[in-house]
Amino acid sequence: AQSVTQPDIHITVSEGASLELRCNYSYGATPYLFWYVQSPGQGLQLLLKYFSGDTLVQGIKGFEAEFKRSQSSFNLRKPSVHWSDAAEYFCAVAPGYQGGKLIFGQGTELSVKP
Amino acid sequence: EAGVAQSPRYKIIEKRQSVAFWCNPISGHATLYWYQQILGQGPKLLIQFQNNGVVDDSQLPKDRFSAERLKGVDSTLKIQPAKLEDSAVYLCASSFRTSGSGEQYFGPGTRLTVT
Repeated sequence: AQSVTQPDIHITVSEGASLELRCNYSYGATPYLFWYVQSPGQGLQLLLKYFSGDTLVQGIKGFEAEFKRSQSSFNLRKPSVHWSDAAEYFCAVAPGYQGGKLIFGQGTELSVKP
Repeated sequence: EAGVAQSPRYKIIEKRQSVAFWCNPISGHATLYWYQQILGQGPKLLIQFQNNGVVDDSQLPKDRFSAERLKGVDSTLKIQPAKLEDSAVYLCASSFRTSGSGEQYFGPGTRLTVT
């Protein structure tokens, strides 16, 4: 069965520091991969997605993610974190067949120190 | 472009009562999803509609949960009777396509507390 693991439940970084959030997936083929962000009381907003092609994808708000097939990973990065980036981040996978449902990891809560 | 609308935003009920949530997807989006997000977890799909037909309801607790999308637009999700473990945020999402590449747009969610 497909699954997504986000090993870090909570991460704290200083404002201006770099950020990397880890995501590992389990799936037999290359899935569609997504990163979403959820601010308190808000719905989920798509940061970026990977379907095929270049393994380094750029998203909104200065985020990027790299797909590594050999490691079954899709880690999210940002070179310089802003206080407004504090939120919950979810990695998700969608199987490539007709269906479309998203399978989410348990999320990583990001806190930003001033 | 208006986003996905959900109501109510918050609901508190006692166990064994019933509750209903409403979702209005983005105009033109044929696919609609209901997810359940328990505190500290990622969202989990409950049911997926393509127009007014059910594509996937394998994780819907059918003894107490029901959902419909009669005219292929709005959708309602009902719980009857509610249990304490149903306390969660219920998220509605819609997408233009059903395939895995179809980007899903999420509403703000309904936070349900069962006491």
